Amino acid sequence: GQQLNQSPQSMFIQEGEDVSMNCTSSSIFNTWLWYKQDPGEGPVLLIALYKAGELTSNGRLTAQFGITRKDSFLNISASIPSDVGIYFCAGQLSGSARQLTFGSGTQLTVLP
Amino acid sequence: DGGITQSPKYLFRKEGQNVTLSCEQNLNHDAMYWYRQDPGQGLRLIYYSQIVNDFQKGDIAEGYSVSREKKESFPLTVTSAQKNPTAFYLCASSIMTGAGNQPQHFGDGTRLSIL
Repeated sequence: GQQLNQSPQSMFIQEGEDVSMNCTSSSIFNTWLWYKQDPGEGPVLLIALYKAGELTSNGRLTAQFGITRKDSFLNISASIPSDVGIYFCAGQLSGSARQLTFGSGTQLTVLP
Repeated sequence: DGGITQSPKYLFRKEGQNVTLSCEQNLNHDAMYWYRQDPGQGLRLIYYSQIVNDFQKGDIAEGYSVSREKKESFPLTVTSAQKNPTAFYLCASSIMTGAGNQPQHFGDGTRLSIL
């Protein structure tokens, strides 16, 4: 089945620094999604990407859909304490009613 | 407010018991999903449903059962056959369009523990 490799597994950064994380797949996807999960809560959708090469921003967050359709990255600029959490990528095939394939997550810690 | 409501937030199960986790959505979404999350891992799909009275197994359906009698409700039963049920369970829903499923939105989860 499809697999997503998400890296890094964890990051410790200073407040104000920029962050970058990425996901690569063994198969192509038609949609890439990035979610953030706070402890004890459900994931919240940050950015959705629908087209190869697409670059989309949401405030300090920027994500890109790789042109090979097998990868995506998420950048966070000027990190703040509330950016702490687990970030998940997810890929979806159009016409695949069933599901998303999730990466294993990147645990982000922002140090004051 | 529209959203996905999961209950209870915390649930404890004795050995040999079945327990049912509730998921209700008032978003008028067609599709609903159940995922299991273990520490340090991504989400794994248990079951999903695109229409009322129909559902399909995901990747780890053994030991679980679901029903979809109403569009807004998709309860998950963790049966005694599930030998390692301790996990965080997440329910999600999405709109279905001609272009396929739109992004899934999640509830706040139920944490199940074994006594």
